[in-house]
Amino acid sequence: GAVVSQHPSWVICKSGTSVKIECRSLDFQATTMFWYRQFPKQSLMLMATSNEGSKATYEQGVEKDKFLINHASLTLSTLTVTSAHPEDSSFYICSATDRSGGTRDEQYFGPGTRLTVT
Amino acid sequence: LAKTTQPISMDSYEGQEVNITCSHNNIATNDYITWYQQFPSQGPRFIIQGYKTKVTNEVASLFIPADRKSSTLSLPRVSLSDTAVYYCLVGTTDNYGQNFVFGPGTRLSVLP
Repeated sequence: GAVVSQHPSWVICKSGTSVKIECRSLDFQATTMFWYRQFPKQSLMLMATSNEGSKATYEQGVEKDKFLINHASLTLSTLTVTSAHPEDSSFYICSATDRSGGTRDEQYFGPGTRLTVT
Repeated sequence: LAKTTQPISMDSYEGQEVNITCSHNNIATNDYITWYQQFPSQGPRFIIQGYKTKVTNEVASLFIPADRKSSTLSLPRVSLSDTAVYYCLVGTTDNYGQNFVFGPGTRLSVLP
């Protein structure tokens, strides 16, 4: 099946610094990728939809200037958390859809990135 | 958005069959029903997807009645490693986003 990777798997950074998380589709082209955030014991919350070659669409309440998303190619999307603060500490997950197989509407999720801001 | 309702938690024993039912009364004509499994500190993993009737794969079955207002995920002979959170999603994705949201899911605990 289709594989999505994320890098790094975990990162610790100091408050005020920026952190970049990469999401790659390894064996398929992903026109659209999604970024989620998940706090402990809670469900996934969609942050933004990332389309290759265009600006991301952010969900209500998500600061686009704080969470910069770039989808430069059909296999790579990046999320940069700018000026990170402890409240940004969370589990960030990306997903991608592979439409090459026809009508099945399935998202492939990455393994997630644990961000801890100290 | 199609709203889903699932039990918050379920307990089962090894070797038993587990059925998790999801209600989605306002499912739209184009919506698929998809179930994901998530272990702690991992991304969700696709289990099964269906549109109507019954779908079966190597790990689960999905039963969808004719009115499509609910669906049941069936896990045969669960083991301890099936302890996870299971999410029922109803909707579609396209290049502009997705018309579903992740609910709280069902936390399944499989006991020895």
